[in-house]
Amino acid sequence: ETGVTQTPRHLVMGMTNKKSLKCEQHLGHNAMYWYKQSAKKPLELMFVYSLEERVENNSVPSRFSPECPNSSHLFLHLHTLQPEDSALYLCASSQGRWGGQPQHFGDGTRLSIL
Amino acid sequence: AQTVTQSQPEMSVQEAETVTLSCTYDTSESDYYLFWYKQPPSRQMILVIRQEAYKQQNATENRFSVNFQKAAKSFSLKISDSQLGDAAMYFCAYRDDKIIFGKGTRLHILP
Repeated sequence: ETGVTQTPRHLVMGMTNKKSLKCEQHLGHNAMYWYKQSAKKPLELMFVYSLEERVENNSVPSRFSPECPNSSHLFLHLHTLQPEDSALYLCASSQGRWGGQPQHFGDGTRLSIL
Repeated sequence: AQTVTQSQPEMSVQEAETVTLSCTYDTSESDYYLFWYKQPPSRQMILVIRQEAYKQQNATENRFSVNFQKAAKSFSLKISDSQLGDAAMYFCAYRDDKIIFGKGTRLHILP
């Protein structure tokens, strides 16, 4: 496998459920990101990890909990979500958190909250 | 705070023609990077082209080129000889120590 892989592709859950999104990158990058993509809104950066340390948390509600056990894996743990959390969640990675290195994105997880 | 504006939510172009997607941004920084990303219906976002702000020369990648006007804070994307596979959402992005994306422009290619 190459690139950035996200699982599952689709997820439907109730507001009281607990689930996790998974992201894996095979590019040897040292920075990973979670984004939320909603219709008619800019891509929203949620979390940034650099060398497995969380370096940015953009005022994301605590019902979203990221985890980065190593430089290749990133999780987003979800619990007691709200209907407005329904969106496409994209994972990305890059070599270095700064500068001009482009981000490589996964296909995303389409999340629907019932 | 930095902002990125894409004023064209949707555009259409005839196959083989040329189209320009606009992007403006606001920043007080002098050193930054600008990107255009493409997101086809299959969803995976891929890099189209990148521009370093300290370089005056406009970046070019095959049929894709940019018109970077630093003083005007403008960063438009020109697609020449449009192809059906160019149909996608195009996102302009700004990066210094933060990453800011525009809302995107949906490009339709008319056969």
